[in-house]
Amino acid sequence: DTEVTQTPKHLVMGMTNKKSLKCEQHMGHRAMYWYKQKAKKPPELMFVYSYEKLSINESVPSRFSPECPNSSLLNLHLHALQPEDSALYLCASSQDPKYRGRHEQFFGPGTRLTVL
Amino acid sequence: QQQVKQSPQSLIVQKGGISIINCAYENTAFDYFPWYQQFPGKGPALLIAIRPDVSEKKEGRFTISFNKSAKQFSLHIMDSQPGDSATYFCAASRGPGGSYIPTFGRGTSLIVHP
Repeated sequence: DTEVTQTPKHLVMGMTNKKSLKCEQHMGHRAMYWYKQKAKKPPELMFVYSYEKLSINESVPSRFSPECPNSSLLNLHLHALQPEDSALYLCASSQDPKYRGRHEQFFGPGTRLTVL
Repeated sequence: QQQVKQSPQSLIVQKGGISIINCAYENTAFDYFPWYQQFPGKGPALLIAIRPDVSEKKEGRFTISFNKSAKQFSLHIMDSQPGDSATYFCAASRGPGGSYIPTFGRGTSLIVHP
């Protein structure tokens, strides 16, 4: 298996809802990432997990809560989001971010989130 | 502060033509320069990458040219095809202390007309 999968593909939620995004990879990668991408913009890094520990949090609001239950799975819990949080949420993984030749990131297809 | 500047923002090319996208960076600590290709509704995919000790890298119709002294690099797509129509992001990263987290350019929307 050489891909990163994300579910759901699309999500519409109200500002009072709680929902979760799921990302999975079975490539044995030890780093996983969440990015946010607005239309016609580059991806913006949100969180990095390295060896299942949160290593980078790019000052993301607390209404986004990441979780890494195991080395293959990454979740993003959403609560009390704002309409401006509507975006494509991308998950990525890499074999090991510390080593040259093993740091390339593989992206999933994303979850298109709409907050009403 | 935009650490990686990319141009043009959009590019229209005829089938069979050459597409050229340029990027410039400021941080000399960057040591890895990937290009990503993103189709609508999909995540970015690594297309080709180069390290600063190499001035050119070619993979099929895609070539990266790298000018370390000018802190510039570019992507050339030879014999452009309609299937190449996508958004292209250049990026720069550093490791291992920087964990190779890419700093992306703003993107170039390429349209190749049949």
